[in-house]
Amino acid sequence: AQSVTQPDIHITVSEGASLELRCNYSYGATPYLFWYVQSPGQGLQLLLKYFSGDTLVQGIKGFEAEFKRSQSSFNLRKPSVHWSDAAEYFCAVGSPNTGNQFYFGTGTSLTVIP
Amino acid sequence: ETGVTQTPRHLVMGMTNKKSLKCEQHLGHNAMYWYKQSAKKPLELMFVYNFKEQTENNSVPSRFSPECPNSSHLFLHLHTLQPEDSALYLCASSFGTNHEQYFGPGTRLTVT
Repeated sequence: AQSVTQPDIHITVSEGASLELRCNYSYGATPYLFWYVQSPGQGLQLLLKYFSGDTLVQGIKGFEAEFKRSQSSFNLRKPSVHWSDAAEYFCAVGSPNTGNQFYFGTGTSLTVIP
Repeated sequence: ETGVTQTPRHLVMGMTNKKSLKCEQHLGHNAMYWYKQSAKKPLELMFVYNFKEQTENNSVPSRFSPECPNSSHLFLHLHTLQPEDSALYLCASSFGTNHEQYFGPGTRLTVT
């Protein structure tokens, strides 16, 4: 069965520091991969997506993610975190074989300290 | 107005009430979704509509009844809910069912 694991429930970083949020998936074929961000009281906003091609994808707000098939990972990175990046981050996986079904991780809560 | 909108943003209802959640998308998408988001749990897909036809029902209790009159509007009718149904209900839409989904701000539902 398809699944998504975000091992880190909560991460705290200092403003200006680099960030990496981990995402591992379980799926037998080439997946579609997504990262979403959710601010308090808001819906989910798409940060970036991977369907095929270059395994390093660029997203909005200075985020990037790298698809590593050998590690079944799609980690999200940002070189310098801003206080406004504090939010909940969700990794999701889908594929042509799952049709409508997207599988979401449980999320990683990011706190940014001055 | 652009994007995906949801009304109301907050709803408190008793277990014997009947209420409806509304979602509208202004993106020209043809697929719409209802999700339930509870604390410390992954998003749970409830229903999927593609070109107004329901294509997914993930074993959702019958006290939740979806309605999709057209590709731009989606409703979730609620009746005789339980306190454990309290959650954030998110609507999303996409251009086709294998494309990224765009989410509304959600309705925070509290069942008393």
